[in-house]
Amino acid sequence: DAKTTQPPSMDCAEGRAANLPCNHSTISGNEYVYWYRQIHSQGPQYIIHGLKNNETNEMASLIITEDRKSSTLILPHATLRDTAVYYCIVRRIQGAQKLVFGQGTRLTINP
Amino acid sequence: EAGVTQFPSHSVIEKGQTVTLRCDPISGHDNLYWYRRVMGKEIKFLLHFVKESKQDESGMPNNRFLAERTGGTYSTLKVQPAELEDSGVYFCASSRTVYNEQFFGPGTRLTVL
Repeated sequence: DAKTTQPPSMDCAEGRAANLPCNHSTISGNEYVYWYRQIHSQGPQYIIHGLKNNETNEMASLIITEDRKSSTLILPHATLRDTAVYYCIVRRIQGAQKLVFGQGTRLTINP
Repeated sequence: EAGVTQFPSHSVIEKGQTVTLRCDPISGHDNLYWYRRVMGKEIKFLLHFVKESKQDESGMPNNRFLAERTGGTYSTLKVQPAELEDSGVYFCASSRTVYNEQFFGPGTRLTVL
């Protein structure tokens, strides 16, 4: 699976949009980009995933660059409850289905 | 719809003892995964069941770990005998198919003294 690179930490003000970047320059055509988050002491929570088109759901938006080498997770109106570690994961469409977690980005939402 | 549940939430045992962790996946989810995070490290995959069959057990650290999923419903992960380095949080996840997102349980925090 392709490796991902994320900043170790970020801060965002409550009510503002939080934009979390992820680099996955070695991603191949048969790999999705997934985002999970882990709020303190809870299990990882699925947020969103995409292949090459931008995606939006009730939690977030995912913007994938045209060359697919990077992506941005957007939380449009961050709240204090969005404070968590966010993981960008590249996962093959077929084959091994395990999730490979990196260090993630520790996002802190400030009041 | 109930989420993935894990039991117990915490377990404290002594080195050399046996511990069994249980995971109940979301109803109808054929795929069940075990992961763990040991202190200061990243979350690591342990194994993957499709129904009652082990699809991928490449992440199991050694033969002290035994996972079962009899009947293709709940799963157990037994550690026997437990060692200090087994301390960490063990997560279970499930998905309807291998192509769907995985939903995680709250984890079992295992402490080996």
